[in-house]
Amino acid sequence: DTAVSQTPKYLVTQMGNDKSIKCEQNLGHDTMYWYKQDSKKFLKIMFSYNNKELIINETVPNRFSPKSPDKAHLNLHINSLELGDSAVYFCASSQDLHRSYEQYFGPGTRLTVT
Amino acid sequence: GDSVTQMEGPVTLSEEAFLTINCTYTATGYPSLFWYVQYPGEGLQLLLKATKADDKGSNKGFEATYRKETTSFHLEKGSVQVSDSAVYFCALSDNNAGNMLTFGGGTRLMVKP
Repeated sequence: DTAVSQTPKYLVTQMGNDKSIKCEQNLGHDTMYWYKQDSKKFLKIMFSYNNKELIINETVPNRFSPKSPDKAHLNLHINSLELGDSAVYFCASSQDLHRSYEQYFGPGTRLTVT
Repeated sequence: GDSVTQMEGPVTLSEEAFLTINCTYTATGYPSLFWYVQYPGEGLQLLLKATKADDKGSNKGFEATYRKETTSFHLEKGSVQVSDSAVYFCALSDNNAGNMLTFGGGTRLMVKP
């Protein structure tokens, strides 16, 4: 069974559109995350979400909004897509917020904005 | 703020060669340190971790020791295989709100037969 899954795996869309990426974890974890990996492989945290508490990275544009219907799901909505949003987006989860717990990553969603 | 610096790649080695990938960090507190590996087209997998000074993390022949005095967490393997070819990321988690990981820039390793 896949621990952290994401859909879709690939997403191609035009500038100005609104899109969503879904993430589900079956590990029973309390905490979930979204990361962005750019074309140079650099990874940057976007959000952390723990038991209905959202921790926002201040550098993320407000066009990006995470939504968590329950503890096992954390979806990422992106409004008014821009060329610079093209990247691979990774969802991850961890047992809880303690710094010693490793994070488990999904396979990634490659977003291409044309 | 927190930061992680790791050696730039690519690192190209022959099979059975010794591997070292350097990683140093800056953190305000007492972070946990991690090495993640990303195989082509896949997500990140935890390779090993250390949560306090002098801890040694190890897995699949890879090792790294948490050195607080030099703020380092260098990755080593005695004999690399072609299947080790991947991108390796050093990361830390400090006592920040949200347990967000700070990653280094990644080091691509290519192992030739």
